[in-house]
Amino acid sequence: QQKVQQSPESLSVPEGGMASFNCTSSDRNFQYFWWYRQHSGEGPKALMSIFSDGDKKEGRFTAHLNKASLHVSLHIRDSQPSDSALYFCAASETGGYKVVFGSGTRLLVSP
Amino acid sequence: EAAVTQSPRSKVAVTGGKVTLSCHQTNNHDYMYWYRQDTGHGLRLIHYSYVADSTEKGDIPDGYKASRPSQENFSLILELASLSQTAVYFCASSDTGGDTEVFFGKGTRLTVV
Repeated sequence: QQKVQQSPESLSVPEGGMASFNCTSSDRNFQYFWWYRQHSGEGPKALMSIFSDGDKKEGRFTAHLNKASLHVSLHIRDSQPSDSALYFCAASETGGYKVVFGSGTRLLVSP
Repeated sequence: EAAVTQSPRSKVAVTGGKVTLSCHQTNNHDYMYWYRQDTGHGLRLIHYSYVADSTEKGDIPDGYKASRPSQENFSLILELASLSQTAVYFCASSDTGGDTEVFFGKGTRLTVV
């Protein structure tokens, strides 16, 4: 079983809508969480990190972390067609070298 | 921006043959990683390294070897390629491990026939 599980597998939202992604870890040692985005034909690129409980906002993107439940989420408001991509949650331990990725959520934003 | 360069970008290999995927980073990063991407499995860690001349096994190391001859270079070696190793492979680097951003290359599409 993967240590980082994402849901849903795919998501379709209209332009201007809200897209929401979920990620749950099964390893309580994970302390650092990241969201990455991968457009077709490219490597993943980091969107934002979240290391403390609560919300973190960067422009249209908001991440939320609840360490007690090992749950992290990402919300994109005012979604644009250019946001269509594969979104990954990634986690690692304090002082750890390994970065573990989830299986990803594919987002399609329709004009 | 951090640069990670992979070569080749695509390769067709025969079953049982040897394949070497190369990666070069110019960011002075200590940590380097090899991931495999398959539909439905996301990114799975094969091998990683945090210092030259040393490599560590990731989550799916069977059938793969890694080599880190210098801080800048990290290779993935398939001694006996198999059909199940057909995938897209990504090399990545980061500065201090899990609390810093991981920078990825553009990937190598490997097809084993």
